[in-house]
Amino acid sequence: GQNIDQPTEMTATEGAIVQINCTYQTSGFNGLFWYQQHAGEAPTFLSYNVLDGLEEKGRFSSFLSRSKGYSYLLLKELQMKDSASYLCATTSGTYKYIFGTGTRLKVLA
Amino acid sequence: DGGITQSPKYLFRKEGQNVTLSCEQNLNHDAMYWYRQDPGQGLRLIYYSQIVNDFQKGDIAEGYSVSREKKESFPLTVTSAQKNPTAFYLCASRRGTSDEQFFGPGTRLTVL
Repeated sequence: GQNIDQPTEMTATEGAIVQINCTYQTSGFNGLFWYQQHAGEAPTFLSYNVLDGLEEKGRFSSFLSRSKGYSYLLLKELQMKDSASYLCATTSGTYKYIFGTGTRLKVLA
Repeated sequence: DGGITQSPKYLFRKEGQNVTLSCEQNLNHDAMYWYRQDPGQGLRLIYYSQIVNDFQKGDIAEGYSVSREKKESFPLTVTSAQKNPTAFYLCASRRGTSDEQFFGPGTRLTVL
């Protein structure tokens, strides 16, 4: 079957580091996306991992382990504007995308 | 500027009426997608189209219909057969050689 799991909600303090985990079981796996979505808005692209390992992009990093069906998004130096939902999504060879339910991150002052 | 447009941003309809949501892109992308998002939920695929004049059902196609007569346009009709149509609808497109999707701003449909 197709399944993606991520925590429903997380809370962290401004300036801290937070790691959002995502586990997946999807057939024909090509790669894994992370999107940020503010309330009432469209998702915006954060990262795309195809190969195992860590990819860093400014304050955001994303990690993938294909053998474990596991990914995480690491956010450093948290800012208030990082309060949003973070969606994990996988893509297959047929270019169908499977989305997780999203992790709602609250950043507290 | 290139991008994806969805109109209107907010749409209200009476129960039992069909309604069509617009999605237009000028990115010259081959593939287009429609998703539905309910509060606190992820995106669920309604329909997708890889090329003009062809489309496939997603996971929750019942009560919806689409057409893809032009590369730029992929309208979604929410029919009266859709039992719970109130939701946030997102359209996306993808270039043929890339995995990344680009999203439109979304349409929030409320059925009264």
